[in-house]
Amino acid sequence: GESVGLHLPTLSVQEGDNSIINCAYSNSASDYFIWYKQESGKGPQFIIDIRSNMDKRQGQRVTVLLNKTVKHLSLQIAATQPGDSAVYFCALAGGTSYGKLTFGQGTILTVHP
Amino acid sequence: GAGVSQTPSNKVTEKGKYVELRCDPISGHTALYWYRQSLGQGPEFLIYFQGTGAADDSGLPNDRFFAVRPEGSVSTLKIQRTERGDSAVYLCASSLTLDTPNTGELFFGEGSRLTVL
Repeated sequence: GESVGLHLPTLSVQEGDNSIINCAYSNSASDYFIWYKQESGKGPQFIIDIRSNMDKRQGQRVTVLLNKTVKHLSLQIAATQPGDSAVYFCALAGGTSYGKLTFGQGTILTVHP
Repeated sequence: GAGVSQTPSNKVTEKGKYVELRCDPISGHTALYWYRQSLGQGPEFLIYFQGTGAADDSGLPNDRFFAVRPEGSVSTLKIQRTERGDSAVYLCASSLTLDTPNTGELFFGEGSRLTVL
């Protein structure tokens, strides 16, 4: 079955640094990869997604990289801010619905002022 | 409302009791999803609806769990004979459609925290 894992459960950075959060996946049939941010007491919030036919996509201060050869996904956050402190999840979709997702375990990002 | 609304936000119940959790999706969203999130874990898919029908209930853990969406809008997740292992945050999400990344983007509610004593 599908499984999604993260290399690092916690990441602490200083404000202004760049952050990189990693995710390994096993299901090569997935065609849609998404990063979510979840703050305490709230539901996950969409950050950025990437299709399987791409290897890089950029948003505002965020970049997602996809390496299908080694089944690895990463989220880069530029100039990290205290408001970026949260748990970050990667998720995979594919099949009958783009909303039926398999989530990874999550990485806790803490940004120190 | 502007977002997905879930009630109650917190529910404490005793083992063996019946509970209902309600989800009010974003107006106009045809697809509705239920996920369960245990402490320290990512959300796990339970079931999704397209309109009134359950399109995929493969994530429901057993027959104590059931969900309905009778009019294609509000959905209720029902748990019978609750067990301590059912304690988790139950998240609801909706999307405009099922089909494409742009219109299939999920919008999550804040969840209903269920504690079974």
